[in-house]
Amino acid sequence: TQLLEQSPQFLSIQEGENLTVYCNSSSVFSSLQWYRQEPGEGPVLLVTVVTGGEVKKLKRLTFQFGDARKDSSLHITAAQPGDTGLYLCAGKGGATNKLIFGTGTLLAVQP
Amino acid sequence: NAGVTQTPKFQVLKTGQSMTLQCAQDMNHEYMSWYRQDPGMGLRLIHYSVGAGITDQGEVPNGYNVSRSTTEDFPLRLLSAAPSQTSVYFCASSYSVHQVHEQYFGPGTRLTVT
Repeated sequence: TQLLEQSPQFLSIQEGENLTVYCNSSSVFSSLQWYRQEPGEGPVLLVTVVTGGEVKKLKRLTFQFGDARKDSSLHITAAQPGDTGLYLCAGKGGATNKLIFGTGTLLAVQP
Repeated sequence: NAGVTQTPKFQVLKTGQSMTLQCAQDMNHEYMSWYRQDPGMGLRLIHYSVGAGITDQGEVPNGYNVSRSTTEDFPLRLLSAAPSQTSVYFCASSYSVHQVHEQYFGPGTRLTVT
């Protein structure tokens, strides 16, 4: 069974701080996505990375796909209260070629 | 476009009851999926469909049935509800670009089985 472990599980920081969330697996993925989910809503896709070593930037968010395509990170610069939410990584690949979701990181940014 | 819609938003069932969670999308996406979300476990795939008339099992299919008679609709049926099925259920639709799926999720159905 493919597993995607995210760390940390919970993160509470002050507005303006930087943070990094990690998504790790022992499996290789053909692509990896990051979603953000707000309370009472469904996840919303933030980014898709497909190439080992790929880095994508979305305003203050920087996403990186590991060289071996087994891990990914999300870095947020100068976090704002609007960044609060559950961040989920999801990888596609392996024998089933289905989308596997990580365990999630719950981020709270205090004003 | 309404995107992906789900009904109901909330539901309470007694053990043994059956019900259908509705999901519809108006984006003409070929792929549709059902997930359940439980604390600390992310999203787990229940069933999915790659087109009308075609469905397949996901990671946790037991106790659930699906059908896909049209592109737009993908209902999820609970045959005999159990407390272990208490969860938040999300429907998603997606299209494939170079084998990468951009998933669009509905707002979810919060189900409690007593």
